[in-house]
Amino acid sequence: AQSVAQPEDQVNVAEGNPLTVKCTYSVSGNPYLFWYVQYPNRGLQFLLKYITGDNLVKGSYGFEAEFNKSQTSFHLKKPSALVSDSALYFCAVRDNNNAGNMLTFGGGTRLMVKP
Amino acid sequence: NAGVTQTPKFQVLKTGQSMTLQCAQDMNHNSMYWYRQDPGMGLRLIYYSASEGTTDKGEVPNGYNVSRLNKREFSLRLESAAPSQTSVYFCASRETSGRASLNEQFFGPGTRLTVL
Repeated sequence: AQSVAQPEDQVNVAEGNPLTVKCTYSVSGNPYLFWYVQYPNRGLQFLLKYITGDNLVKGSYGFEAEFNKSQTSFHLKKPSALVSDSALYFCAVRDNNNAGNMLTFGGGTRLMVKP
Repeated sequence: NAGVTQTPKFQVLKTGQSMTLQCAQDMNHNSMYWYRQDPGMGLRLIYYSASEGTTDKGEVPNGYNVSRLNKREFSLRLESAAPSQTSVYFCASRETSGRASLNEQFFGPGTRLTVL
């Protein structure tokens, strides 16, 4: 079975500071990893994904994530946070050996960026 | 392109009532999904349809039924609503043919359902 853990319910950051939202995963095969963002009363929007290749993946709105196979992590990062980055962030994993190829989501991390 | 659309946006039901949540996508995607979102639990898959004419259970299918009406539309039905089904429901779609099988899912705006 595959699983995703987002250990922090909330992350607080001051505007202009770097931010990290943590994600660890568990799959039996090779993982496909995704980050989504959800703004209030909206659906999920895709931010970035890791399929293969470079461990550092760059995505929308200046976000990036680093795939670390030995630590089974895929932390989301941004060098300089904006107040407008405040939202709910979800990490998700899909096992590329899973015939069903279903996506499993973490519980979400609320990012609060304060001016 | 409108992407993934869902109706209604909000709904309040009494216990035992039935209703159908509608979802449509205009991206010609093969696969469609229904999730529910509850606080602290992320999104949990209720049912999915890998292609037109097929449907399969996800993680939490009890109390729900689905219909893949055609390639565009995938509806979710609650036959006898219960308070435990109070949640936000999201529909999603994804292209799953060839290299596109690596693609991300696209989500609708959600339906906020309250069962009293």
